[in-house]
Amino acid sequence: AQSVTQLDSQVPVFEEAPVELRCNYSSSVSVYLFWYVQYPNQGLQLLLKYLSGSTLVKGINGFEAEFNKSQTSFHLRKPSVHISDTAEYFCAVSGAGNQFYFGTGTSLTVIP
Amino acid sequence: SQTIHQWPATLVQPVGSPLSLECTVEGTSNPNLYWYRQAAGRGLQLLFYSVGIGQISSEVPQNLSASRPQDRQFILSSKKLLLSDSGFYLCAWGWGGGAEAFFGQGTRLTVV
Repeated sequence: AQSVTQLDSQVPVFEEAPVELRCNYSSSVSVYLFWYVQYPNQGLQLLLKYLSGSTLVKGINGFEAEFNKSQTSFHLRKPSVHISDTAEYFCAVSGAGNQFYFGTGTSLTVIP
Repeated sequence: SQTIHQWPATLVQPVGSPLSLECTVEGTSNPNLYWYRQAAGRGLQLLFYSVGIGQISSEVPQNLSASRPQDRQFILSSKKLLLSDSGFYLCAWGWGGGAEAFFGQGTRLTVV
């Protein structure tokens, strides 16, 4: 079975500061990893995904994530955040099957 | 291009009433379809997924059911709503095997 843990439920950060949102996964098989963003009362939008190959994945809006197999982590980073980055962020995992499993989310608040 | 439609956007229903939420996908064939529920502070919970017409897998036994009467139509139902059924319901589609899931805009259900 696969599962995802997002260690931080809320992350406040000042505008133009760097941010890291943490995600750890649990799986006994190879996995695919995703980060999604959700703005209030909307669906989820894909930020980036890791399937294979380079462990550093770049996504939209200046976000990137690094896959670390030994630590079973897939942390999301951005070197300088903007007010518009305020949103809920979800890490997700899927495997050879068809299911997607999501973490509980991290609420990122960018402070002016 | 593919699009996903989910309706209604908001719904207020009394306890004990039935429920029917509909989701349709355009621009693709034989997608995997998913229903998720998002409760405050609990992330996205996978409720049902389907890999084809009439094929439904339930992740969490509860007061809800799902059906897929047509290739690109996915319906979430309940015969009698409970207060605990309140939440934000999201429909999604994907190809599986590492491809990302694409989400609808969600339905905010309030059971009163």
